[in-house]
Amino acid sequence: GNSVTQMEGPVTLSEEAFLTINCTYTATGYPSLFWYVQYPGEGLQLLLKATKADDKGSNKGFEATYRKETTSFHLEKGSVQVSDSAVYFCAFISGNTGKLIFGQGTTLQVKP
Amino acid sequence: DVKVTQSSRYLVKRTGEKVFLECVQDMDHENMFWYRQDPGLGLRLIYFSYDVKMKEKGDIPEGYSVSREKKERFSLILESASTNQTSMYLCASSTLWVRTGPYQPQHFGDGTRLSIL
Repeated sequence: GNSVTQMEGPVTLSEEAFLTINCTYTATGYPSLFWYVQYPGEGLQLLLKATKADDKGSNKGFEATYRKETTSFHLEKGSVQVSDSAVYFCAFISGNTGKLIFGQGTTLQVKP
Repeated sequence: DVKVTQSSRYLVKRTGEKVFLECVQDMDHENMFWYRQDPGLGLRLIYFSYDVKMKEKGDIPEGYSVSREKKERFSLILESASTNQTSMYLCASSTLWVRTGPYQPQHFGDGTRLSIL
């Protein structure tokens, strides 16, 4: 069935380190892929999206490329900041229901 | 920008009360969703709606009902609140995919942290 697998957290990095959060998915058809971010005490914000193979979504220095051949959508950032500390969710929509399938979330802690 | 507004950020209720959580979106979206978020369990879909007066059960509908009398408003109802319904509740909306082509993202409100005592 449909599912998303994210790397387990927490991920702890020093400021200015390189970030990768792995995400792979199992879906039917041609899903749209998303990364959401949740800062402490808040709701989810859309971080970036990609709607077809080889698309690269980007926002606020974060990037992710839709890899159909490996069914992956890994999140990367070249230099993280303390303010990037949050929970990151990989998700997709497949089929005609508009329902989001979420990963479990990965907590990122960035230390000064 | 899409704005999804949940009526309360924090709410405290007592066991057995009937609880209403309200959600309003301002982008004329057809789809609206209610989730709950619990540590270690991620986000779980409670109910969703594709249109006014339409509703579909999600993964965990037991103990909840919903109402969608107007397109912009989607209410979650706890018929008789219990302590195991203490959680963070998130509302979301999205446009119907057939209108826009590729599946478009859901936009979330800030959440309501509900405590049942």
